[in-house]
Amino acid sequence: GAVVSQHPSRVICKSGTSVKIECRSLDFQATTMFWYRQFPKKSLMLMATSNEGSKATYEQGVEKDKFLINHASLTLSTLTVTSAHPEDSSFYICSAPRGSPSYEQYFGPGTRLTVT
Amino acid sequence: QKEVEQDPGPLSVPEGAIVSLNCTYSNSAFQYFMWYRQYSRKGPELLMYTYSSGNKEDGRFTAQVDKSSKYISLFIRDSQPSDSATYLCAMSAGQGAQKLVFGQGTRLTINP
Repeated sequence: GAVVSQHPSRVICKSGTSVKIECRSLDFQATTMFWYRQFPKKSLMLMATSNEGSKATYEQGVEKDKFLINHASLTLSTLTVTSAHPEDSSFYICSAPRGSPSYEQYFGPGTRLTVT
Repeated sequence: QKEVEQDPGPLSVPEGAIVSLNCTYSNSAFQYFMWYRQYSRKGPELLMYTYSSGNKEDGRFTAQVDKSSKYISLFIRDSQPSDSATYLCAMSAGQGAQKLVFGQGTRLTINP
């Protein structure tokens, strides 16, 4: 069964509003989670590394103030898209390494964001 | 040059065929290699996870890593229409919560 969940699975919002996406590890603790963005028929683009208890680490070119990440607990990370615009419409996916010994990374089912 | 190269396809084969998917990479520090399967509009699903060189088999799937050639493969035996998806290779340099570097993904269609 799923080991990482995301909520919501789909969201439609108006330009200028903010949207929060949750990522949860279901049966393990994850001090680190990753947030990706995926465009149609393209591979995953890493946006940021979410760290429990400290600030997120953003990849080059990703706006920190636009994509707010909060790692609230050992099982929950949230991504907030602030003042969303149509160009932010995309598929957002999180992942979490399951832990020792292999740290296999499991992905959530993704959230499809449409900004109108 | 990208760190990880993967032919995006599309690749179309008849049901029952053996499928071979491949990635090459340039960073010799990569030690952990993964294959993910992604259905349309879904999150990637981990299929295989291997460390260093060698083979790993799980049911109809076999993963091979050749570090000397910087080349990894995924073989699917007795392919089924339900195997139709995009297959992504991914790799990382270290153990732990490491960033993954992905290939572009290969779109595979198995025709009944």
